Amino acid sequence: DTGVSQDPRHKITKRGQNVTFRCDPISEHNRLYWYRQTLGQGPEFLTYFQNEAQLEKSRLLSDRFSAERPKGSFSTLEIQRTEQGDSAMYLCASSGEGANTEAFFGQGTRLTVV
Amino acid sequence: AQSVAQPEDQVKVAEGNPLTVKCTYSVSGNPYLFWYVQYPNRGLQFLLKYITGDNLVKGSYGFEAEFNKSQTSFHLKKPSALVSDSALYFCAVTAPGGGSYIPTFGRGTSLIVHP
Repeated sequence: DTGVSQDPRHKITKRGQNVTFRCDPISEHNRLYWYRQTLGQGPEFLTYFQNEAQLEKSRLLSDRFSAERPKGSFSTLEIQRTEQGDSAMYLCASSGEGANTEAFFGQGTRLTVV
Repeated sequence: AQSVAQPEDQVKVAEGNPLTVKCTYSVSGNPYLFWYVQYPNRGLQFLLKYITGDNLVKGSYGFEAEFNKSQTSFHLKKPSALVSDSALYFCAVTAPGGGSYIPTFGRGTSLIVHP
């Protein structure tokens, strides 16, 4: 296993279009996180899965955002009706059981909304 | 709610000199603390963590960090900086006992090591 992978690495889309990102976590990790990062800021939490269950979602997350993790394996993050403010780096991370385990991050998907 | 503060946006040091990147936290209960590094256009990489026990923890690439409960700090240190250490550094906290098990990150500190 080579780590967490995200696809695509870059996405340019027109305002109003829908986009979907994919994350493949480390296979034995049951926890999966999505974060958003903008320039000069740290990762901002979006949502969290334990296996296939979405256990937590940021209150800041617009209802245009939805995430799934079917069968507790890969995850997808969809943004509907994109806006320019959605432009950011979207990071996926996975970790093992326990809050004391470190997260392993993918390289991220950079979204640009024009 | 738990939070992390990194009071310096940027730290500049000369190669060979010691470096310190500061982090303070706020949680209910006992914290688990982490440091990550991010190189340009890359995801975050884990450096080290404090869970319990010895307040001085050692991690990758010669980095270490000191947990200070009374000052609620977890500063990252390295005795001798390298130019290749130049990157963004993020402190993170989880606190399953009284806060959240989901990592909360600081806004990051840009470390610049000049020759």
